[in-house]
Amino acid sequence: GEDVEQSLFLSVREGDSSVINCTYTDSSSTYLYWYKQEPGAGLQLLTYIFSNMDMKQDQRLTVLLNKKDKHLSLRIADTQTGDSAIYFCAEDKGNTGKLIFGQGTTLQVKP
Amino acid sequence: GAVVSQHPSWVICKSGTSVKIECRSLDFQATTMFWYRQFPKQSLMLMATSNEGSKATYEQGVEKDKFLINHASLTLSTLTVTSAHPEDSSFYICSARGTSGSKGNEQFFGPGTRLTVL
Repeated sequence: GEDVEQSLFLSVREGDSSVINCTYTDSSSTYLYWYKQEPGAGLQLLTYIFSNMDMKQDQRLTVLLNKKDKHLSLRIADTQTGDSAIYFCAEDKGNTGKLIFGQGTTLQVKP
Repeated sequence: GAVVSQHPSWVICKSGTSVKIECRSLDFQATTMFWYRQFPKQSLMLMATSNEGSKATYEQGVEKDKFLINHASLTLSTLTVTSAHPEDSSFYICSARGTSGSKGNEQFFGPGTRLTVL
C-alpha cells in the first residue's frame, strides 16, 4: 500500500476554512511537509513541521501533527480562490532527504 | 528564497531519440539533487538521488541505463532519457538540497519539464 495517503478532493467556499488530512507510515520521519502545486507548475513548499512538535502556525496555515496516529493535517483559514491547487503532504523517509509524497488533494475553492 | 531552474520547460521528441533535462540551483550549492516523475493527476515518484561527484542512486524499478543522471557540479544535475518511448512521456521535476543552514534540510523544487514522446 501507499506510504502516505490523502483524500483526493476537497471543495470549500471562499472564506471558509479548509482542512486537508494525511496519514503516513514512517515513524522515524523527522520532518513532514506540505507542498502546493498549481497546474503545470512545480512544487512550492508551504510549510513543514518537525516531528517533536504538535502544531505549527504560519499566518493562515496551521499544521497539526498526531505522531501516535501518524496523522498530519493542514488547515487553511479564510480560504481564497487563489488557494485552489493540489496539496501534497510528504514525509522524509528515514531522514534521507528522499521525500515520499501522498497522492495529492485537489482543493477547489468556490466563490 | 532559493531558486531551482529546469531546462527545457517542455520538450517534444520522436520515439527512439534521447532527451537531456537540466536542473540548476541558481543561488545556492546543492550537494544532493533528486529527480521525480509525475504522471497526470498522480503523485510524484522519486526516481533517483543525485550526489555531486558520485554515481546516482536509483529507486527500485527505475532503469539506470535508460535514465542517465550526471551531477557534475554543485549547481547542475542532468537527467538524460535515452531512447525515449511514448511511455516515458511525463512531467519530470527535480529538487535540490543545500549544504548548510536552513537550506540543509529543505528541498527546493524546480518548475518541472514536460516531456512528450511521439
